Amino acid sequence: DADVTQTPRNRITKTGKRIMLECSQTKGHDRMYWYRQDPGLGLQLIYYSFDVKDINKGEISDGYSVSRQAQAKFSLSLESAIPNQTALYFCATSDKGDGYTFGSGTRLTVV
Amino acid sequence: TQLLEQSPQFLSIQEGENLTVYCNSSSVFSSLQWYRQEPGEGPVLLVTVVTGGEVKKLKRLTFQFGDARKDSSLHITAAQPGDTGLYLCAHDGPGGSYIPTFGRGTSLIVHP
Repeated sequence: DADVTQTPRNRITKTGKRIMLECSQTKGHDRMYWYRQDPGLGLQLIYYSFDVKDINKGEISDGYSVSRQAQAKFSLSLESAIPNQTALYFCATSDKGDGYTFGSGTRLTVV
Repeated sequence: TQLLEQSPQFLSIQEGENLTVYCNSSSVFSSLQWYRQEPGEGPVLLVTVVTGGEVKKLKRLTFQFGDARKDSSLHITAAQPGDTGLYLCAHDGPGGSYIPTFGRGTSLIVHP
């Protein structure tokens, strides 16, 4: 099994719908992150969490929310999806000094 | 924000060629990381460089951290089609905050 698992892998949704992307990890890491990736723009940080009671906004949090249900689970929600939220979404985890472990991503298309 | 500038943005070469990609900043870092991202997958950590002037080798990949710890390079010898991907550099954020910043990456295509 993968260290960081994201579901779903692909999703097409309609404008205005609420959608949740899920991430679970078996690394035992406290730090978890959500990124979106757009061609030419690199990885942009949406939210991050350093433990279950800690939630922080990243550089592009507008239109998104998160929930850290447990150390191993960190979900990302789009309350009312819009077409410019079409992107690749990645969850990542880290432990001190060991770099970042990414999931395989969710390809989200909002039509 | 401690930005990381990567160059070139795109690189298309033939199998067997050598190449170097760069990661530059005006800031000093305690460490820099290099990742490779294959199409349809998340980035995978290749190496972390910590000491100024450090050189690390991973098979045909050679990573160097600048003496002043402001820049890094990745050199690939005799590139193979399996090296195709997006190469990203990253740091752990100001003061080791663990709020990472990634460069925009170098997209490499190696043709057979």
